[in-house]
Amino acid sequence: SQKIEQNSEALNIQEGKTATLTCNYTNYSPAYLQWYRQDPGRGPVFLLLIRENEKEKRKERLKVTFDTTLKQSLFHITASQPADSATYLCALKLNAGNMLTFGGGTRLMVKP
Amino acid sequence: DAMVIQNPRYQVTQFGKPVTLSCSQTLNHNVMYWYQQKSSQAPKLLFHYYDKDFNNEADTPDNFQSRRPNTSFCFLDIRSPGLGDAAMYLCATSPRGAVGEKLFFGSGTQLSVL
Repeated sequence: SQKIEQNSEALNIQEGKTATLTCNYTNYSPAYLQWYRQDPGRGPVFLLLIRENEKEKRKERLKVTFDTTLKQSLFHITASQPADSATYLCALKLNAGNMLTFGGGTRLMVKP
Repeated sequence: DAMVIQNPRYQVTQFGKPVTLSCSQTLNHNVMYWYQQKSSQAPKLLFHYYDKDFNNEADTPDNFQSRRPNTSFCFLDIRSPGLGDAAMYLCATSPRGAVGEKLFFGSGTQLSVL
């Protein structure tokens, strides 16, 4: 079946280091992929969108890559800060409709 | 600021007692969505509206219903809540529902079923 996989284990890193989160998907070839941030008890907030013809997208300290051959997106936060601690969700279309399907998210903990 | 507002933030109901969650938006977006998110899981789409056109996901239980009386408001009705319905319910909007559009989420309603 079609699905999205994100590492369910929390990622713990030291402040100032680069955090790298992974999103893998199966079967379908989406035209784009989105990343969201979700803080505890809050709704997700959109961060970045990357299209299938874009290998890399940057926004301030954030960088997203999209490898349609590997069916994988990597989400990087450089010079991480404790305020970056949150759960990060990837989302994409898994079928011909327009609806987004979300991954389960990876929790990032940045320690001072 | 334009936003998506969900009320209440926390809702406690009894097993089998109907409950209604509300969502309003000042973004004037055409599409509104309801997602269910259980602890440490992915948000799961229940249904969405393109304007007044209601679209139900195939695996959404009949126990869940929705109403959208106008562009700004959308309601989620749970007719007979079970213990398994305890979750965060997220309302989201998007301008037109076009491919690639980002979603704007409210802060969610955390539902507890006793």
